[in-house]
Amino acid sequence: EIVMTQSPPTLSLSPGERATLSCRASQSVSRNLAWYQQKPGQAPRLLIYGASTRATDFPARFSGSGSGTEFTLTISSLQSEDFAVYYCLQYNNWPPQLTFGGGTKVEIK
Amino acid sequence: QMQLVESGGGVVQPGRSLRLSCAASGFTFSSYGIHWVRQTPGKGLEWVALIWYDGSKEYYADSVKGRFTISRDNSKNTVYLQMNSLRADDTGLYYCATDQSRRPEFWGQGTLVTVSS
Repeated sequence: EIVMTQSPPTLSLSPGERATLSCRASQSVSRNLAWYQQKPGQAPRLLIYGASTRATDFPARFSGSGSGTEFTLTISSLQSEDFAVYYCLQYNNWPPQLTFGGGTKVEIK
Repeated sequence: QMQLVESGGGVVQPGRSLRLSCAASGFTFSSYGIHWVRQTPGKGLEWVALIWYDGSKEYYADSVKGRFTISRDNSKNTVYLQMNSLRADDTGLYYCATDQSRRPEFWGQGTLVTVSS
């Protein structure tokens, strides 16, 4: 099983600050990496796929980078609606055995 | 607009069975694979199963293989998750989601399963 490790578990920042979230895979997942945003009481929403392609619903302040085993989600200037939990997901294996990271909570400082 | 509605959750004793449903609307259901993903207090988000758009292939997480069965009825725009031999660690919120190139894309709001005596 590919283990996905996210850091830090919690990120305390102020609106307008830059957020940098990390996701590490225990073995290479190429660029088959997605990020999801989840707000309290809501289902996860796809944010980034293919490591760096932003879903249409999300603004350009969100960006993803990385390949292989190291990935980063960056929010360039936090807005109030961005405070949420972010999960990474690898979908590289075949047959599929998808695995999620444990999440990073971005909270208001 | 695209909608997925899960149902069938509830409280069930360990060892018993439960069948979840995922009803789709607002898109061409028969063109999409469907995932089940659960969110549990202990393990966070955990992928459970995937069924292809035509039902010809099914894939399962090792933790549920042999106990859970995913199926679909394209005439009813519905995917099912039959869960047998339920355990306490199966407790969680179960989501269905559309598949896009092996990743879950659009998610429903989930149905809660509690396994407890």
